[in-house]
Amino acid sequence: AQKVTQAQTEISVVEKEDVTLDCVYETRDTTYYLFWYKQPPSGELVFLIRRNSFDEQNEISGRYSWNFQKSTSSFNFTITASQVVDSAVYFCALSEGYGGSQGNLIFGKGTKLSVKP
Amino acid sequence: NAGVMQNPRHLVRRRGQEARLRCSPMKGHSHVYWYRQLPEEGLKFMVYLQKENIIDESGMPKERFSAEFPKEGPSILRIQQVVRGDSAAYFCASSLLSQGAGNTEAFFGQGTRLTVV
Repeated sequence: AQKVTQAQTEISVVEKEDVTLDCVYETRDTTYYLFWYKQPPSGELVFLIRRNSFDEQNEISGRYSWNFQKSTSSFNFTITASQVVDSAVYFCALSEGYGGSQGNLIFGKGTKLSVKP
Repeated sequence: NAGVMQNPRHLVRRRGQEARLRCSPMKGHSHVYWYRQLPEEGLKFMVYLQKENIIDESGMPKERFSAEFPKEGPSILRIQQVVRGDSAAYFCASSLLSQGAGNTEAFFGQGTRLTVV
């Protein structure tokens, strides 16, 4: 069965601290995609990254970095030097299959990050 | 190029009334997905539509809920005889290709927050 687990319900850090948000997934497919979305207090969903199952290279985008490890079925997200504007709920999601109707995203329950000044 | 537009942003309905939620996908996108986010929860897939066709409705409640994506006009999620448990944020996403088709990203709208009183 497909599943995404974000074990950390809430995290609170002080500005400039680094923080890592954990994501563990379960899937039987060999082809799948992993995503991170940010949901700020205003409520919209902001796409952050998509990674396919064949690309295990870590990715860095500014203060954001992602560590994809197939061996542990994890796709963790690190924010370096956190800022107050990073305060949001962060969702990890999984999409299975290749074409057809297997396109829906399976979301974790989210991690609420609070960055205090 | 406008993003995914959902309206209304907020909708209040009394128990037993009908709720109609609209989603206009991004220009050129023919794939639409509806998700529901209950309070303090992640998003749950409801239905996937292409123009005039329902591709996957495995996440839709069997009764009172329906969705359409006509040839012209927005996608509509209809909830008949609403109950308090229907109170949630409903998100629509659109993509150029099926989300399972590889290098494609789903863009989310800002959501409609339904409150049933």
